[in-house]
Amino acid sequence: EPEVTQTPSHQVTQMGQEVILRCVPISNHLYFYWYRQILGQKVEFLVSFYNNEISEKSEIFDDQFSVERPDGSNFTLKIRSTKLEDSAMYFCASRAGQGYNEQFFGPGTRLTVL
Amino acid sequence: KNQVEQSPQSLIILEGKNCTLQCNYTVSPFSNLRWYKQDTGRGPVSLTIMTFSENTKSNGRYTATLDADTKQSSLHITASQLSDSASYICVAHYGNNRLAFGKGNQVVVIP
Repeated sequence: EPEVTQTPSHQVTQMGQEVILRCVPISNHLYFYWYRQILGQKVEFLVSFYNNEISEKSEIFDDQFSVERPDGSNFTLKIRSTKLEDSAMYFCASRAGQGYNEQFFGPGTRLTVL
Repeated sequence: KNQVEQSPQSLIILEGKNCTLQCNYTVSPFSNLRWYKQDTGRGPVSLTIMTFSENTKSNGRYTATLDADTKQSSLHITASQLSDSASYICVAHYGNNRLAFGKGNQVVVIP
């Protein structure tokens, strides 16, 4: 069964460093999302992406964040200068197409900023 | 504000017993409501989806209910198994495919 994959599963970085979280959405899906979940908190929406551009972003998604679909398969989230409060689980999700469709979530990347 | 609240925050149940998880949502415009199961270290996986007109939906031992008037939903787990130990997240879909997540009900099933 097709699934969303994410790498790495765990990323440890120093404050101020740049990190890139990678996702491979389900191959025929058209809509892509990033969410984060701080330990013990709710899952929060970061950004949605369609047709090679951001379609919506939350207030969390500030200038230190960027997303990219560099090729036909990968979908990346870059954090330019990490802060301690960026430590969280980051989930990628993808959705097939127009109208309501289920978002399929990846297993997540645990980011730890020291 | 678009939000979802769940209760209880956590519960421990004996294997074979039933339990019910509660969800209250406040989103607009409401589209549908899903219950997700999130195993430790994994992403959420959808269990059920319910639209405005649906009251009850089952998926194996999981049964979800929806009261669109009171904006409440529940997830009932029947004859719990050890593999049911997970976080169960209530997610309300609204607007243009936006999702409002609850904090989750942490269920621990013990033998």
